[in-house]
Amino acid sequence: AQSVTQPDIHITVSEGASLELRCNYSYGATPYLFWYVQSPGQGLQLLLKYFSGDTLVQGIKGFEAEFKRSQSSFNLRKPSVHWSDAAEYFCAVGAPWAAGNKLTFGGGTRVLVKP
Amino acid sequence: DVKVTQSSRYLVKRTGEKVFLECVQDMDHENMFWYRQDPGLGLRLIYFSYDVKMKEKGDIPEGYSVSREKKERFSLILESASTNQTSMYLCASSFDAGGALDTGELFFGEGSRLTVL
Repeated sequence: AQSVTQPDIHITVSEGASLELRCNYSYGATPYLFWYVQSPGQGLQLLLKYFSGDTLVQGIKGFEAEFKRSQSSFNLRKPSVHWSDAAEYFCAVGAPWAAGNKLTFGGGTRVLVKP
Repeated sequence: DVKVTQSSRYLVKRTGEKVFLECVQDMDHENMFWYRQDPGLGLRLIYFSYDVKMKEKGDIPEGYSVSREKKERFSLILESASTNQTSMYLCASSFDAGGALDTGELFFGEGSRLTVL
């Protein structure tokens, strides 16, 4: 069975500083990988996704993520954080071509941004 | 833009009541999902449906049922609500896996926060 671990429950970062959110997954083959963001009171919005090809993926809002097969990781990064990046971030894994396109989510990392 | 609409943002129910959570999507997606979101646990899949009248159990189906009579609508039913079902419920939809429009992405509604007293 596939699983996703986000080791950091909370991260506090100063505005303008860099941010890295960790994600480790367990899956028997190369999965589809996603990062979603949830702003307070909102549903989840897709930041970026990886299916194949270039292991560095660019997303919206200045985020990027790097797939490292050897480490089973898909860490999310942003060079300079804005106050509006305060939100909860979820990493997810999906099985390619699987019926129903189910995604398995990690526990989430809540990001707090200090002025 | 894809729109997934959940009928109620906030509900307060009493133990033992029957609860219906409704979800409608306007993108002709084949797949629809109900997730439950709890702090520290992330999102856990309750049920999903890949076609009208079809349903599959997710990871935590106990105490829930679903109905999909029309392609655009997916309902989550709590037959007898209990306090441990107090949570945020998220509906999502997507195109069929492997289909020409499949991007693997799920599109989410804004959530329904249910409190059971």
